[in-house]
Amino acid sequence: EVQLVESGGGLVQPGRSLRLSCAASGFTFDDHAMHWVRQAPGKGLEWVSSISWNSGSIVYADSVKGRFTISRDNAKNSLYLQMNSLRAEDTALYYCAKDNYRSGWSFMDVWGKGTTVTVSS
Amino acid sequence: QSALTQPPSASGSPGQSVTISCTGTSSDIGGYNYVSWYQQHPGKAPKLMIYEVTKRPSGVPDRFSGSKSGNTASLTVSGLQAEDEADYYCSSYTGTNSMVFGGGTKMTVL
Repeated sequence: EVQLVESGGGLVQPGRSLRLSCAASGFTFDDHAMHWVRQAPGKGLEWVSSISWNSGSIVYADSVKGRFTISRDNAKNSLYLQMNSLRAEDTALYYCAKDNYRSGWSFMDVWGKGTTVTVSS
Repeated sequence: QSALTQPPSASGSPGQSVTISCTGTSSDIGGYNYVSWYQQHPGKAPKLMIYEVTKRPSGVPDRFSGSKSGNTASLTVSGLQAEDEADYYCSSYTGTNSMVFGGGTKMTVL
């Protein structure tokens, strides 16, 4: 079964850091680009960041550029999101999603259940 | 990275057809055939319903169809059923090598 399981969310104070992880199973991880997508409470989906199969291509939404870093470890079938200088507006459910292709972003065919990040003092 | 424009709500009676629009620009929807649609039930993760404008993943009923004209993509649900009540999001690849979502449409089955 193809599966993505996010972890690492929690309550964090503004300005602090948090690292999210996404464990992949059931498919050849290094054959696919990966994405992070977030959803603030009661709001719509917002694309956050994407990484190609070999980490050669990485992109970020303007809202997180310079503060968030996406990375992957293909040996561990894992995707990461390092979030620094967190703000209240980063509060959201963070989803990990698998792209259909290796590089170039196309569509997200598998999604995890998400991990919740709450930024508050 | 402006969000694609979707109507906030759509509705129809069981058995009817409902179409949701998704408007972008020539730098996203109009420039590429990487438009996808996602269904999200309350408290659940999004589910891919349509990819590359018109294609349906295995397991998605053929009541769901997609199309595109210029800078606007559309999702049509035919033969509306109670379980189709959900939020629907469009997404597109963009010319800045990023992705963008629409604001979402809440589909109500009357």
